[in-house]
Amino acid sequence: TQLLEQSPQFLSIQEGENLTVYCNSSSVFSSLQWYRQEPGEGPVLLVTVVTGGEVKKLKRLTFQFGDARKDSSLHITAAQPGDTGLYLCAGSDAGGTSYGKLTFGQGTILTVHP
Amino acid sequence: EAGVAQSPRYKIIEKRQSVAFWCNPISGHATLYWYQQILGQGPKLLIQFQNNGVVDDSQLPKDRFSAERLKGVDSTLKIQPAKLEDSAVYLCASSFGHRTDTQYFGPGTRLTVL
Repeated sequence: TQLLEQSPQFLSIQEGENLTVYCNSSSVFSSLQWYRQEPGEGPVLLVTVVTGGEVKKLKRLTFQFGDARKDSSLHITAAQPGDTGLYLCAGSDAGGTSYGKLTFGQGTILTVHP
Repeated sequence: EAGVAQSPRYKIIEKRQSVAFWCNPISGHATLYWYQQILGQGPKLLIQFQNNGVVDDSQLPKDRFSAERLKGVDSTLKIQPAKLEDSAVYLCASSFGHRTDTQYFGPGTRLTVL
């Protein structure tokens, strides 16, 4: 069974601060995705990283996939209240018979105070 | 383009009662997923359909949960009888194909079992 551990579970910061969320596993994934989920809504895909060592930037968000494709991080620069939400990482094993099944971490609840 | 539709949005039932959830995926999407998201956790895949066939139901509690996808479009998820631990948000997602395709999530149905 593949497991993803996210840390921290809760993060409360002031507007303008930087933060990093980590997603770790002992398993290798073919790709890793980051989602953001707001209350009462389903998760929305932010980014997919596929290649070991890959770095992707989305405005103030920077995503990195570990060289061994077992871990990932999300870094937010100068956080804003609009960044508040639940951040989820999800690993995909597109090979074998898993049919691209996503394994989700438990999520990080981010609160950015004005 | 219309997103994934789910109904009802909220449901409160007594334990041992039955309940059904409905999902209408994005038009043209062949793959449909049902996830269970317990408060404080990431979504867990219950069942995955490719058109109207099941490709993964390894985490579906088959003694009480059932799901079908009529004509490869809409899907229903049923719980009979419900237990207290079934209280969760039930998310439906769809993707164009499977494996590496992006999954689009609906808003979810929040189930409370009393």
